[in-house]
Amino acid sequence: GAVVSQHPSRVICKSGTSVKIECRSLDFQATTMFWYRQFPKQSLMLMATSNEGSKATYEQGVEKDKFLINHASLTLSTLTVTSAHPEDSSFYICSAPNRGTRDYNEQFFGPGTRLTVL
Amino acid sequence: QKEVEQNSGPLSVPEGAIASLNCTYSDRVSQSFFWYRQYSGKSPELIMSIYSNGDKEDGRFTAQLNKASQYVSLLIRDSQPSDSATYLCAVVYSGSARQLTFGSGTQLTVLP
Repeated sequence: GAVVSQHPSRVICKSGTSVKIECRSLDFQATTMFWYRQFPKQSLMLMATSNEGSKATYEQGVEKDKFLINHASLTLSTLTVTSAHPEDSSFYICSAPNRGTRDYNEQFFGPGTRLTVL
Repeated sequence: QKEVEQNSGPLSVPEGAIASLNCTYSDRVSQSFFWYRQYSGKSPELIMSIYSNGDKEDGRFTAQLNKASQYVSLLIRDSQPSDSATYLCAVVYSGSARQLTFGSGTQLTVLP
């Protein structure tokens, strides 16, 4: 299979602190990973594309200095929400395509991280 | 602007009925089409993928693709209460570096 994990699954923090979310591909290598954010009753919004060995590509309107992405290895990407504020409270989900599958466009999602900023 | 649109919900069907979910996309230059299911509070789960015109069946699910009409649908036969979820249509457009473009989702409720 193609399994993607995320850690932590849930985090509550105070306003102004930074939070790091890890996304790991457990049984395949991922040169590319995607980070999404989802607010209640809305669809997934792509935030950025994480590229192993190079800088992340951010979608329009996403602050790269606030949402730091590091693709440290072929199995790990991290998203750090810096100086978090209540409006950053959301469900953060990562995904990765698996080159080993028939369709490299097919993406496998992590279980998500619920961030609550007080 | 490449867009994916899904029929507005919510959609309710009785248990055992066929649920029909529809999706249109805006650009003919598209590669892959996916249907994801998302339960409340969970991340999306891939249930069907389709790449060429026609029907693709997998158990109780049938995906239909019509590239000329830029239309993709999902049929769920013998709907079960456990099928109650939000269904997301997603498209990968050529040249998009494998980015998924999602529709807004259709919330399906299967009534026992």
